[in-house]
Amino acid sequence: AQTVTQSQPEMSVQEAETVTLSCTYDTSESDYYLFWYKQPPSRQMILVIRQEAYKQQNATENRFSVNFQKAAKSFSLKISDSQLGDAAMYFCAYRSRGYGGATNKLIFGTGTLLAVQP
Amino acid sequence: EPEVTQTPSHQVTQMGQEVILRCVPISNHLYFYWYRQILGQKVEFLVSFYNNEISEKSEIFDDQFSVERPDGSNFTLKIRSTKLEDSAMYFCASRGRIPLNQPQHFGDGTRLSIL
Repeated sequence: AQTVTQSQPEMSVQEAETVTLSCTYDTSESDYYLFWYKQPPSRQMILVIRQEAYKQQNATENRFSVNFQKAAKSFSLKISDSQLGDAAMYFCAYRSRGYGGATNKLIFGTGTLLAVQP
Repeated sequence: EPEVTQTPSHQVTQMGQEVILRCVPISNHLYFYWYRQILGQKVEFLVSFYNNEISEKSEIFDDQFSVERPDGSNFTLKIRSTKLEDSAMYFCASRGRIPLNQPQHFGDGTRLSIL
């Protein structure tokens, strides 16, 4: 069974600085997807960024980028130029690739609570 | 942008009562999910639904839980006889079939409080 581990329960960053959130996972599959979701105090689940395991290039979405190390099974999230609105719980999630009708649930880590200091 | 909608946003129910949580997935999506998040804990998978049947369920999803897609647009989660430990945030999610790399889109959740 796949597992996702986030070893940093809490992180703090100064506004405009850069912060990296860690995520490791365990799987025997070779093809899968990885996601970072953001959960602000309102408790919505908002997709931040996604990575396909077969792609070597790290995904980037504006100020958010990932460092995907497939051999090490590591998927960290870098937030550049941090803003007050980035304060939230961040969840790393794994999903098998799936074929046909496979529904492939998301497997979440325990989350990292990010505080942004003005 | 289309979104997943969930109602109600907050449900308060007496222990032992039945509760139905409602979701309207994105209209052209084919895969539907329910997740649960107990306060302060991680998001846990409950059940997935495709082609009008459950495709996978977790250990949490016991006989007290059921899901239904009654009319082609709504997707409901029913808890027959609620327990205190059912208090949690319940998220509905949906996903299209193609391309395979589509993420799941989440609703804003229903906060269920069991008294």
